[in-house]
Amino acid sequence: DTEVTQTPKHLVMGMTNKKSLKCEQHMGHRAMYWYKQKAKKPPELMFVYSYEKLSINESVPSRFSPECPNSSLLNLHLHALQPEDSALYLCASSQAGTSGGPRAYNEQFFGPGTRLTVL
Amino acid sequence: ELKVEQNPLFLSMQEGKNYTIYCNYSTTSDRLYWYRQDPGKSLESLFVLLSNGAVKQEGRLMASLDTKARLSTLHITAAVHDLSATYFCAVDSTTGNQFYFGTGTSLTVIP
Repeated sequence: DTEVTQTPKHLVMGMTNKKSLKCEQHMGHRAMYWYKQKAKKPPELMFVYSYEKLSINESVPSRFSPECPNSSLLNLHLHALQPEDSALYLCASSQAGTSGGPRAYNEQFFGPGTRLTVL
Repeated sequence: ELKVEQNPLFLSMQEGKNYTIYCNYSTTSDRLYWYRQDPGKSLESLFVLLSNGAVKQEGRLMASLDTKARLSTLHITAAVHDLSATYFCAVDSTTGNQFYFGTGTSLTVIP
């Protein structure tokens, strides 16, 4: 299985809602990523998990809360979002660096994304 | 901060023509990646360049890496309409554990 899946495909939420984005891969990758992409812009790295531990948090607001329950799953919990958080949220996975250290990036395989609209 | 710049940002070219997209980056790195993104879709990995002088080719696309110049190129040969997409390079730094995508090049191939 060489696929990264994401659910839901589309999500509309109000600023007081709590929702979660889900990502799953079965390629045996031990690094997983969340990106945010605004229209006509490059993806921006939000979080990196390496060997199920959060290794990178790119100064993301606390209204975004990542979780990695096991090596195949990655969640992004959303709470009290703002309209400017509307974007395409992409999950990716890759082989991890040695012992979960730096240089964990490697070639990343991306899921189809969740298009989030915050009203 | 690691900066990754691509040029051109927008490229309109006729079918059958050749062109090169450039990716410049500001930090030491020996790994560079090229991705393709179709409108409204996710990213597809095209090339992984892992050392100075690396060259890889797939169909009408060829990518190269010059780590000394901090430059990668994506060369398009005899463009066809199916190549219309946005192309991103991405770099991870050897220090600072940073990873950034370039600004992207939106390519339109005109029949």
